[in-house]
Amino acid sequence: GQQLNQSPQSMFIQEGEDVSMNCTSSSIFNTWLWYKQDPGEGPVLLIALYKAGELTSNGRLTAQFGITRKDSFLNISASIPSDVGIYFCAGHWAGGTSYGKLTFGQGTILTVHP
Amino acid sequence: EAGVTQSPTHLIKTRGQQATLRCSPISGHTSVYWYQQALGLGLQFLLWYDEGEERNRGNFPPRFSGRQFPNYSSELNVNALELEDSALYLCASSLDLYGYTFGSGTRLTVV
Repeated sequence: GQQLNQSPQSMFIQEGEDVSMNCTSSSIFNTWLWYKQDPGEGPVLLIALYKAGELTSNGRLTAQFGITRKDSFLNISASIPSDVGIYFCAGHWAGGTSYGKLTFGQGTILTVHP
Repeated sequence: EAGVTQSPTHLIKTRGQQATLRCSPISGHTSVYWYQQALGLGLQFLLWYDEGEERNRGNFPPRFSGRQFPNYSSELNVNALELEDSALYLCASSLDLYGYTFGSGTRLTVV
């Protein structure tokens, strides 16, 4: 089945630094999504990408849908303490038995030191 | 606008028992999705309900089942609980495939 490899697994950075994380897949997706999960909460959608090559920003967050449709990255600029959490990538393939099902990466745990 | 509501927040069951988890979607959302998040792992797709019908299910055994009611709320039932069923169970609702809004989850502990 489809699998996503998300890296890095964890990051420890200083406030103000930029952050980059990425996801790769063995198969293509129609849609890439990036979520953030805070402790005790469900994931919250940050950015959705619908076309290969698409680059989308949401405030200090920027994400890109890879040309091959098998990868995506998320950048966070000028990190702040509230960026702490777990970031997940997710992909959707609108075909066959995968329709309606999101495949999630294993998550990147981000820690920001003030 | 109220978000996705899940109950109970926490649930402790004994191995072999049955667990029932409930989800109320955002008003107007007809699709409900269930995901399992085991400790240290990403989210694994369990079930998708839309307009009262099961549309897709993930690679989970048949003892994981559910239903969607006419008001679009949903139940997830897990029979014959096993220790490895301990996880955070997340429900999401949407109007389309991508505008997922997740609830805060039910933490199921099997002892």
